[in-house]
Amino acid sequence: DARVTQTPRHKVTEMGQEVTMRCQPILGHNTVFWYRQTMMQGLELLAYFRNRAPLDDSGMPKDRFSAEMPDATLATLKIQPSEPRDSAVYFCASGLAGTSGRAWGQFFGPGTRLTVL
Amino acid sequence: AQSVTQLDSQVPVFEEAPVELRCNYSSSVSVYLFWYVQYPNQGLQLLLKYLSGSTLVKGINGFEAEFNKSQTSFHLRKPSVHISDTAEYFCAVSTPEGGSQGNLIFGKGTKLSVKP
Repeated sequence: DARVTQTPRHKVTEMGQEVTMRCQPILGHNTVFWYRQTMMQGLELLAYFRNRAPLDDSGMPKDRFSAEMPDATLATLKIQPSEPRDSAVYFCASGLAGTSGRAWGQFFGPGTRLTVL
Repeated sequence: AQSVTQLDSQVPVFEEAPVELRCNYSSSVSVYLFWYVQYPNQGLQLLLKYLSGSTLVKGINGFEAEFNKSQTSFHLRKPSVHISDTAEYFCAVSTPEGGSQGNLIFGKGTKLSVKP
């Protein structure tokens, strides 16, 4: 049963600390997305990758957030330094885009619930 | 730019009653359309999708949706809901071209609450 995995599932940290969230996309998927979900803003796209290359990270605060794909089986999202307003659930999703670039759907991981005190 | 509007933020309904969750989109080009469900403390799960062909799409858990191009709508329906359908439902559109290839634009979500 192929699925997207995310670690950790929960993270509580103090303001100013570095936070790293990890995602393992479904094997064979060529597109990986990072989303943030809060009660106030709903689901927001932070960044996404195609074939490990970043395509769009305009939704991400550049001064503190960074997203990378060291290899095809691992995507990371880092926040440094973290702030209380970063408290949210962070979802990773993976998908398979065809040659036209259109998405055939995205498969979501269970999320990382981040609390910054 | 594409956008998705889910007209109802909350929909309460009694068990075994029918339900319709509304979704409208705006786009000047052809789109792919999706419905996702999010159960409490879980990620989003794909319910169904429209890519092409028949405008009536059947998904998991007895849900279906109808693509209406003239009304730019993709409403989700279920003839008889169960308590276990209580969740938040998200409509999304995938744009075919441009810088957002592969990206999905999500609506704000509709919370379905099924009461006994």
